Amino acid sequence: GQNIDQPTEMTATEGAIVQINCTYQTSGFNGLFWYQQHAGEAPTFLSYNVLDGLEEKGRFSSFLSRSKGYSYLLLKELQMKDSASYLCAASQTGNTPLVFGKGTRLSVIA
Amino acid sequence: DAGITQSPRHKVTETGTPVTLRCHQTENHRYMYWYRQDPGHGLRLIHYSYGVKDTDKGEVSDGYSVSRSKTEDFLLTLESATSSQTSVYFCAISDRDREIGEQYFGPGTRLTVT
Repeated sequence: GQNIDQPTEMTATEGAIVQINCTYQTSGFNGLFWYQQHAGEAPTFLSYNVLDGLEEKGRFSSFLSRSKGYSYLLLKELQMKDSASYLCAASQTGNTPLVFGKGTRLSVIA
Repeated sequence: DAGITQSPRHKVTETGTPVTLRCHQTENHRYMYWYRQDPGHGLRLIHYSYGVKDTDKGEVSDGYSVSRSKTEDFLLTLESATSSQTSVYFCAISDRDREIGEQYFGPGTRLTVT
């Protein structure tokens, strides 16, 4: 079967670092996406990992361990505008659509 | 931003009426998807298309049908709307043949069935 788990909600302080975890179980796993979704808006693409390791993109980094079925999104120097939902999604081989987790709602407080 | 639009953006309809939502893209991407998003459920796939006239069901396809007669348009039809179909509907596109397969989402349609 297919299953993606991520925490429902997280709270962090402005200027701090937060790590949002995602575990997945999918057949024919190809890679792992992270999306950001602000309230009332559409999801937007943040990152994609296909190989094990850390991919850094400015304040955001994403990590993948294929053997453990585990990924995380790391947000540094948190800003108020980072308050949003973060969606983890697994890509599978072939024409199969992405499998999305339910999202983690991050609240950044002063 | 990917060229993807949805219409209408907001709609209120009565139970039992037919409703059609339109997704239009200008990117010439082969894959198009319809999702619904509800609190506590995240994004759930309704139907998707991998080419003109090629469609397949997602996890929550009951009560919905789709059509894709040309590359740029993907229509979602609720034959007889029910209150359980009140939701935010997102269309997405991707080009898995040439890219990593990230999906680009349209702005969404908020549908209320009374």
